[in-house]
Amino acid sequence: DGGITQSPKYLFRKEGQNVTLSCEQNLNHDAMYWYRQDPGQGLRLIYYSQIVNDFQKGDIAEGYSVSREKKESFPLTVTSAQKNPTAFYLCASSPRTATYEQYFGPGTRLTVT
Amino acid sequence: GENVEQHPSTLSVQEGDSAVIKCTYSDSASNYFPWYKQELGKRPQLIIDIRSNVGEKKDQRIAVTLNKTAKHFSLHITETQPEDSAVYFCAASKTGNQFYFGTGTSLTVIP
Repeated sequence: DGGITQSPKYLFRKEGQNVTLSCEQNLNHDAMYWYRQDPGQGLRLIYYSQIVNDFQKGDIAEGYSVSREKKESFPLTVTSAQKNPTAFYLCASSPRTATYEQYFGPGTRLTVT
Repeated sequence: GENVEQHPSTLSVQEGDSAVIKCTYSDSASNYFPWYKQELGKRPQLIIDIRSNVGEKKDQRIAVTLNKTAKHFSLHITETQPEDSAVYFCAASKTGNQFYFGTGTSLTVIP
């Protein structure tokens, strides 16, 4: 299960606060992704990044921001503008060479009250 | 954008029986179709994938079939075991950049 890590596992915040979720990988993968998982809705793409210093919005980017200053790291900030931030957040990485296989982190469960 | 639909949402089978999960996609340009298994409280893990130039792929008890004309693909699990109980997600991608996931199938294998 090593290779891609997320911290913390559980996160609690008050409404109106920004919060940053960590994602680190030592797989030397070029691409990294952030997904949101809600019950009955599968995984929805928030942001993805193909290379350092470049990232693209997914389908539900509103209220979120990311950075990709290092190949190994792709932190996600959930801002106060995100109307329903309570969810399970999954980070993934992919080599995007011979395969498109995504390797997922263990996830962070964010609860905002 | 792409729209992936997955059925059924829940599936119960007796141990030893087969299980079939079906997905449809809308974008004919999609060319990569992975299946992920997510056990309770754990991360999704790739179990099998197929590219659009292949109609079927097998890996032991698991197989995936793809019908490009009808734009649907299916996961087949034979000789099911209790450890196959999990949520299964299909996905579609055309560039390896954006992945569109189905809503998941909760499979329960009854011993």
